[in-house]
This record gives sequence, C-alpha cells and structure tokens, in this order.
Amino acid sequence: TQLLEQSPQFLSIQEGENLTVYCNSSSVFSSLQWYRQEPGEGPVLLVTVVTGGEVKKLKRLTFQFGDARKDSSLHITAAQPGDTGLYLCADDMRFGAGTRLTVKP
Amino acid sequence: DAGITQSPRYKITETGRQVTLMCHQTWSHSYMFWYRQDLGHGLRLIYYSAAADITDKGEVPDGYVVSRSKTENFPLTLESATRSQTSVYFCACMSADTQYFGPGTRLTVL
Repeated sequence: TQLLEQSPQFLSIQEGENLTVYCNSSSVFSSLQWYRQEPGEGPVLLVTVVTGGEVKKLKRLTFQFGDARKDSSLHITAAQPGDTGLYLCADDMRFGAGTRLTVKP
Repeated sequence: DAGITQSPRYKITETGRQVTLMCHQTWSHSYMFWYRQDLGHGLRLIYYSAAADITDKGEVPDGYVVSRSKTENFPLTLESATRSQTSVYFCACMSADTQYFGPGTRLTVL
C-alpha cells in the first residue's frame, strides 16, 4: 500500500516569507497532483506533474517532482494571506494528510 | 451553474440510523468518487464509479453503500450510522485526469 507523507503538518509564517512543503511516497508515483483546500470547501487542483525532474510554475508557486518520482515539493515565494489553506498531494485517488499553511498579515 | 453539488451540507443523526448523502454533477463525467476527510488522515477513498451501474470499493468502504443508476448522480448511504462515521464527506468527479470536488457534507453521528 502506497503511503503519502507530507511535511510539515502545520506551518505558520509572516506575509512575504518563502516556504517549502514536501510530499514523499513509499513507492513511485504514477503522477502527482497538488491541491489547495480552503475551509468549508473541497480541494481544488493546482497542478499535475508526471515526469521525473519536472518543474512547473504557477505564479508564485513552484512545483518540483523528484527524479525518482517518489517525492515532490511545493515552494511559495513571498507568501500572502490568500495562500492560507490546506495543501494536499495526491497520486490518483490516494491523498496525503496535508500541510496546513497559515500566512499572517 | 455547472458543477458538482452535495446535499445536505450539514447533517446530524443518531447511531443506527440510515443516512444518504447526495451528489450531483451537471456535466456527464464518467468517473465519480466519494471520500471522507478526518483530521490527520487527509482524504480517504470510500467508493468510486467508472460509469453508471459500475462501482468499486476504495480504501475504507465498510459500512457504506453506493449506487449509480444515472451518470449524474452518485448517492452514498450509511446503512446503520456509527460514531466513527462522523466526518466530512466529499464527492468528486473527474475529467481529463482532473478531479473536481463538491463543497462537502459535514456529518455528525451522535
């Protein structure tokens, strides 16, 4: 059974700081999705990465997929309060527990 | 508006009662999913469906029943609710490898 581990579990930072959150798998990902979930809502897909070593950028968010396709990171530059939420990684129908990010103004 | 809806949004029930959570999509996507979300566990797949009349168990199916008589509807039934089924339930559908989630149903079993 594939396990997806996300770290850190909680992260609280000030507006303008940079941060990185991680997703690691016990086995190779077929593909990896990153979602953001705001309170009271369902998750919304941010990006899908498929190829080992792949880097995708979405405005201030940079997603990296490890060469061996067993790990991924999400880096946010100059975080804003609007980035607050639960960040989830997933491989198809299997999700990690998420990183809960709070960005204080 | 097009999208995926869930009802009710909030439900309180008692142990042993039958509860049905509704999920409806205004598209005609083939795949639909039910997840539960609990602190520390993230989203766990309960059941999914590849098409009308085709359903499969996910990671945590015990105590749940699903049906899919129409492509646009995917109800989830708790036949005899237990306190351990207190959770937030999300329905999703998929198009082009992207899952679209509903707003969730918060279920409390007393």
